[in-house]
Amino acid sequence: GENVEQHPSTLSVQEGDSAVIKCTYSDSASNYFPWYKQELGKRPQLIIDIRSNVGEKKDQRIAVTLNKTAKHFSLHITETQPEDSAVYFCAAWNSNSGYALNFGKGTSLLVTP
Amino acid sequence: KAGVTQTPRYLIKTRGQQVTLSCSPISGHRSVSWYQQTPGQGLQFLFEYFSETQRNKGNFPGRFSGRQFSNSRSEMNVSTLELGDSALYLCASSLNTGGRDYGYTFGSGTRLTVV
Repeated sequence: GENVEQHPSTLSVQEGDSAVIKCTYSDSASNYFPWYKQELGKRPQLIIDIRSNVGEKKDQRIAVTLNKTAKHFSLHITETQPEDSAVYFCAAWNSNSGYALNFGKGTSLLVTP
Repeated sequence: KAGVTQTPRYLIKTRGQQVTLSCSPISGHRSVSWYQQTPGQGLQFLFEYFSETQRNKGNFPGRFSGRQFSNSRSEMNVSTLELGDSALYLCASSLNTGGRDYGYTFGSGTRLTVV
């Protein structure tokens, strides 16, 4: 089945710096890649997603890039703020997964003022 | 518009007991997926239901089961509880594609502690 690796597991940045979280996937048939943010004690929430026919997608301070050849995708957060502190999960889907998203194990991001 | 409602929020059970968790999806959403979240393993897929049918099952033992009702509400059951079943159980609601096209809306989860 699909295997999603996520790095780093923890990331600490200063407010205003950029943060990058990387994920790799194993199944070249994967074609949908969402990112979820989970604040402490809260539910995961979808923050951005990308499909395999697109190389990059931006939404204000966050962006996701996809390299299908290398089978990796990344989340970029610019001008980080303390409220960006959370656990971020990447995920991948392909038809072999049926109706299941395969998640990475998460990155705990801490933004210090 | 009401979100995804999971009940109860917290549960403490003893080893060997069984437990039933409930999830009410967003109105109009017919797909309900269940995930187990633990600190070391992240989010692991349990199963997905659509129109009362299980379309997908993850790699969990048969002690984990679920069902969906005609109003799209779903329940999951864990029998013969083990200490390792302690986790946050998340329900995810989506329109009809199990999260693969538009992503999920997650509930707040049920925190299960097995003692």
